[in-house]
Amino acid sequence: QLQLQESGPGLVKPSETLSLTCTVSGGSISSSSYYWGWIRQPPGKGLEWIGSIYYSGSTYYNPSLKSRVTISVDTSKNQFSLRLSSVTAADTAVYYCARQRGWFGEGDYWGQETLVTVSS
Amino acid sequence: QSVLTQPPSVSGAPGQRVTISCTGSSSNIGAGYDVHWYQQLPGTAPKLLIYANSNRPSGVPDRFSGSKSGTSASLAITGLQAEDEADYYCQSYDTSLSGVIFGGGTKLTVL
Repeated sequence: QLQLQESGPGLVKPSETLSLTCTVSGGSISSSSYYWGWIRQPPGKGLEWIGSIYYSGSTYYNPSLKSRVTISVDTSKNQFSLRLSSVTAADTAVYYCARQRGWFGEGDYWGQETLVTVSS
Repeated sequence: QSVLTQPPSVSGAPGQRVTISCTGSSSNIGAGYDVHWYQQLPGTAPKLLIYANSNRPSGVPDRFSGSKSGTSASLAITGLQAEDEADYYCQSYDTSLSGVIFGGGTKLTVL
């Protein structure tokens, strides 16, 4: 059974960079047809797509976040990562990683919720 | 303000049928892009409920069904159960925004 597990700091200071890693187990991140994405959900609000990556390194980003987002993949570790720079309180959210069928497709496997708070 | 519009809340009694709408435009649902639906129980990650408009992943009860027409899509839940009480989200793609979009979410209350 495929599992995704996020890891990273739960508290980030304003203006700093948020970094999260998603480790995939029970399957290969190099599987064709699948992309690996990051989605976030501010407290009490709806879902927002951040971006997606293919195992080859091809990336797609939400245009509203593109200037601050970098998603990378490490196939040797079966991991992919998110970096979000210059964070503010508005970036406080639960962050999810997910497997997607196509870069704008549905997420069929999701990691558990990881709350990241931006505060000094 | 979400590009995909969902009613903030719907409710129904056990055993009843409810529907949740997801209204888009010519740059997303109306352009032919698939709609997917998720169920999110409190404190948990979203769970894929319907993909590609009307397909159920393995393990999802056939009480859940999806449809799409024009610039809108709908999720129907029949034989409502207490365990269905959750938030529901639709997802699609928008060519104008060049990205994945979600509806604002609908809270289902089982009376």
